[in-house]
Amino acid sequence: NAGVTQTPKFQVLKTGQSMTLQCAQDMNHEYMSWYRQDPGMGLRLIHYSVGAGITDQGEVPNGYNVSRSTTEDFPLRLLSAAPSQTSVYFCASHPRARPPDTQYFGPGTRLTVL
Amino acid sequence: AQSVAQPEDQVNVAEGNPLTVKCTYSVSGNPYLFWYVQYPNRGLQFLLKYITGDNLVKGSYGFEAEFNKSQTSFHLKKPSALVSDSALYFCAVRDSMEGNAGKSTFGDGTTLTVKP
Repeated sequence: NAGVTQTPKFQVLKTGQSMTLQCAQDMNHEYMSWYRQDPGMGLRLIHYSVGAGITDQGEVPNGYNVSRSTTEDFPLRLLSAAPSQTSVYFCASHPRARPPDTQYFGPGTRLTVL
Repeated sequence: AQSVAQPEDQVNVAEGNPLTVKCTYSVSGNPYLFWYVQYPNRGLQFLLKYITGDNLVKGSYGFEAEFNKSQTSFHLKKPSALVSDSALYFCAVRDSMEGNAGKSTFGDGTTLTVKP
């Protein structure tokens, strides 16, 4: 299993540009999440999904869109990039299991918005 | 709303000494608690979890954590620190209530530095 994969690893955008961060998992996990990590602020939840076709907002959803058309994929779209979105983005997944399982994290995407 | 607090930004210990990284939480239902470690420029790696049962849970690399319901704490411990344990540590909570099961909340992280 590849686990959770994210592309690209690095990206530089200009203010106002749009882009999609890709996330895929091959473990058939129902739950998927997007986080951003900023120094001293830990991981903050952007959006999450409990299954294909179902998404919900996290703590910091503004400026981001998600969709979940398949179990495997959970792309994160930046509609109009702003310097405040400069961050490291992590995708994670976990199964709907009893007892609950850990989240599995991707390697991250480092995004810089100029 | 659920929350996690890691009161120490930084913990410094000497190699061979015991270490403790603190975590307190707040959830509506029963908590599922997790510790993760992050090495520079890497994703988060799972260390251990508390779901139910024994309050002392053992995890990877000799780490353990003690769940204390009355103090709503889940402190990470290791009897003898190694220089290679130096990293960023995150505590996370997930609510046991089914409607919140997809949502995890993380603390701000604690940087552990182990000096030779």
